[in-house]
Amino acid sequence: DTGVSQDPRHKITKRGQNVTFRCDPISEHNRLYWYRQTLGQGPEFLTYFQNEAQLEKSRLLSDRFSAERPKGSFSTLEIQRTEQGDSAMYLCASSLTGQRSYNEQFFGPGTRLTVL
Amino acid sequence: GNSVTQMEGPVTLSEEAFLTINCTYTATGYPSLFWYVQYPGEGLQLLLKATKADDKGSNKGFEATYRKETTSFHLEKGSVQVSDSAVYFCALSNYGGATNKLIFGTGTLLAVQP
Repeated sequence: DTGVSQDPRHKITKRGQNVTFRCDPISEHNRLYWYRQTLGQGPEFLTYFQNEAQLEKSRLLSDRFSAERPKGSFSTLEIQRTEQGDSAMYLCASSLTGQRSYNEQFFGPGTRLTVL
Repeated sequence: GNSVTQMEGPVTLSEEAFLTINCTYTATGYPSLFWYVQYPGEGLQLLLKATKADDKGSNKGFEATYRKETTSFHLEKGSVQVSDSAVYFCALSNYGGATNKLIFGTGTLLAVQP
């Protein structure tokens, strides 16, 4: 399978703990996005990388959140000192710049975080 | 700012019924419009897209036309199947910015009964 993969698929943690999620994009894709989806809502943009550069961060991304894409391939999203309000599905998407692909973003299955 | 509004669900239909899910948007510039679908237990998948006014996107029997005059992108299908049961998200991407991030509506759950 050459789609976007995310790990883990599910994470349960206690309030105050740190968690880290990983996203592996489609191999030739240079753009990578993180979104957050809460129950009954559509996904909301968190942050975006082009290659290894983090070019935009949403105001939703508090200072407890950090994301990296060190070699322009996989990305990690870390949440420090988790709060119950962080419980959500975290989605990763990737895309390839260029006219033919026209920014179709391919989504991974998501990581569901539950903070107790 | 940019936003998407879509009709609330759930929408419950019998097999072979006609489907419309309404979507309207607010955006600066000339956004591209998308419908994504999320089947139970699966990730979001692009269903169809339209990149300029009057374009019609189509896929798997679904259609949506980019109407700039009414700022709408309603999703339609002439005859739904049980396998179409899913959550449908309308989204836009405004290429005026560098990010091309997607802005989603809240989603509409479609349940098709045999």
